[in-house]
Amino acid sequence: GEDVEQSLFLSVREGDSSVINCTYTDSSSTYLYWYKQEPGAGLQLLTYIFSNMDMKQDQRLTVLLNKKDKHLSLRIADTQTGDSAIYFCAESMNSGTYKYIFGTGTRLKVLA
Amino acid sequence: ETGVTQSPTHLIKTRGQQVTLRCSSQSGHNTVSWYQQALGQGPQFIFQYYREEENGRGNFPPRFSGLQFPNYSSELNVNALELDDSALYLCASSPRDRGTEAFFGQGTRLTVV
Repeated sequence: GEDVEQSLFLSVREGDSSVINCTYTDSSSTYLYWYKQEPGAGLQLLTYIFSNMDMKQDQRLTVLLNKKDKHLSLRIADTQTGDSAIYFCAESMNSGTYKYIFGTGTRLKVLA
Repeated sequence: ETGVTQSPTHLIKTRGQQVTLRCSSQSGHNTVSWYQQALGQGPQFIFQYYREEENGRGNFPPRFSGLQFPNYSSELNVNALELDDSALYLCASSPRDRGTEAFFGQGTRLTVV
């Protein structure tokens, strides 16, 4: 089945690291993504990781993938107030249709 | 800016009416997908178009239909609107050979009253 779960809220202090977690159920997922959504806006692609990788780093962002546990995390170093947003985890399968299965989103609040 | 533009940005319709939402894909992208995002939820896949044909559909009734044009732009049509159709409708475009790189538009906020 296709299901992606995330915790609903996370609150951190400015300058601290944030870790947003996600679990997925479909072991045939080929790519896993993190998107950011600010109020009233569309989705901004932050980063993605291929399922045969276990880590990807991109500036302040680090993605960790534990394929055995079907667990994905996004770490944001030196979190800033501008990082306050909803973060969505998504998976896709290369099945001819590149559809994404999204989680319900984690609302990150950064306290100054 | 992703280069994916949607229109209109906001829309209010009455239950039972029909609506058409539009999407212009990013240059070079020939695949368009539509998603429905209800308040407080993640986006749900409606369908995808490639080469002007539907290429995959999510769990949405037939009153949700779409079109893709030769210039790869797309429309989402919803007939017989229901209150539960109120949502943010997102369009995503991607190059066919790199389905990993889907870029989303800003969305159309549809309110059904």
